[in-house]
Amino acid sequence: NAGVTQTPKFQVLKTGQSMTLQCAQDMNHEYMSWYRQDPGMGLRLIHYSVGAGITDQGEVPNGYNVSRSTTEDFPLRLLSAAPSQTSVYFCASGYSLAMTDTQYFGPGTRLTVL
Amino acid sequence: LAKTTQPISMDSYEGQEVNITCSHNNIATNDYITWYQQFPSQGPRFIIQGYKTKVTNEVASLFIPADRKSSTLSLPRVSLSDTAVYYCLVVPSYNTDKLIFGTGTRLQVFP
Repeated sequence: NAGVTQTPKFQVLKTGQSMTLQCAQDMNHEYMSWYRQDPGMGLRLIHYSVGAGITDQGEVPNGYNVSRSTTEDFPLRLLSAAPSQTSVYFCASGYSLAMTDTQYFGPGTRLTVL
Repeated sequence: LAKTTQPISMDSYEGQEVNITCSHNNIATNDYITWYQQFPSQGPRFIIQGYKTKVTNEVASLFIPADRKSSTLSLPRVSLSDTAVYYCLVVPSYNTDKLIFGTGTRLQVFP
């Protein structure tokens, strides 16, 4: 199993550009989520999904869109990049909706918005 | 969700035992205590989880007193590769759809 994979590892955008961060898992997990991590802060939840076709907002959803068309994939779209979105983005997945289940995190995407 | 408090940073030397204490005064009956580890430039990784008393696995031990208002992650004989940020989380067993991460404890292990 590859686990949770994320692409790209690094990305530089200009303000106003859009892009999609890819996330995939091969563990047949129902739950998937996106977090961002900023220096000196913990991880903050952006969006999450409890199954294909079902998504919901987390703590900091503004400026981001998600969709879940398959169990395996959960892309995160930046609609119009802003410098405040410079961060490291982590995708995670879990077997079920129970947060006591282990959450498996991807290696992250480091995004810089100029 | 119960708030957690843990030290911002800790230093240790190789071979020592490291204990990281987390305070969670308003933990609820259905909450579990979960620890994640994050190495530089990587995503967090689950270490250990417990409800009460003591839990041990191949990586660490977790001590939880009877009142469950605090917990201690114990790392035996740390090595340089244990240098990481350690997050203490209080996780409800139901009625929640997210993990709440604090800022964690940055452990630095010296040779």
